[in-house]
Amino acid sequence: EVQLVQSAAEVKKPGESLKISCKGSGYTFTSHWIGWVRQMPGKGLEWMGIISPGDSDTRYSPSFQGQVTISADKSISTAYLQWSSLKASDTAMYYCARRGNSYDGSGYYESRNWYFDLWGRGTLVTVSS
Amino acid sequence: QTVVTQEPSFSVSPGGTVTLTCGLSSGSVSTSYYPSWYQQTPGRPPRTLIYSTNTRSSGVPDRFSGSILGNKAALTITGAQADDESDYYCVLYMSSAMVFGGGTKLTVL
Repeated sequence: EVQLVQSAAEVKKPGESLKISCKGSGYTFTSHWIGWVRQMPGKGLEWMGIISPGDSDTRYSPSFQGQVTISADKSISTAYLQWSSLKASDTAMYYCARRGNSYDGSGYYESRNWYFDLWGRGTLVTVSS
Repeated sequence: QTVVTQEPSFSVSPGGTVTLTCGLSSGSVSTSYYPSWYQQTPGRPPRTLIYSTNTRSSGVPDRFSGSILGNKAALTITGAQADDESDYYCVLYMSSAMVFGGGTKLTVL
């Protein structure tokens, strides 16, 4: 089965570090970028960034650049999202998602066609003193 | 910074047709933004509905369709059903990033 399996919920204190994971299975992990999406309580979805597991090429939303680190270990088909010092405002559900690959009518890869075709179930991160 | 805009809320009667839109605070949406659409019900992860403006994701019924209407991307639901009551998000590709709209809360009543 093609799926993304995310790590379990976490409860942390402000100032602590955290690394959550997203393991892909049922497909060639290095063939698809993996993105991270934040959803704060009662709010909408926010794109955080994305990584190519094959070469670790990473892009960040300006809103999250410097606030989190996205990484991947292709040997175990797993992507990560980490914080060095959590804040209460980091309390949210975090989803990983696989970027789909698409090709135009001539069979050429559409490198700018960024969309998510597979989602993890989410990891709830609660930061509270 | 350009903002992706969506109607905060919309309502539709069962069996009716509704069109949700996705625009830009500055400029027009075209197919070059590769609009995609996602549905989310409370407590669940998002579900991909449409990508590349008008391509339905696997398993999505054909009563969901995507298009460009004027200067916006659009998601049309034809023959709305009770379980279509959800939040709907559009995403646009902009400069090596994906930008989500604020979402539209659709009520079916």
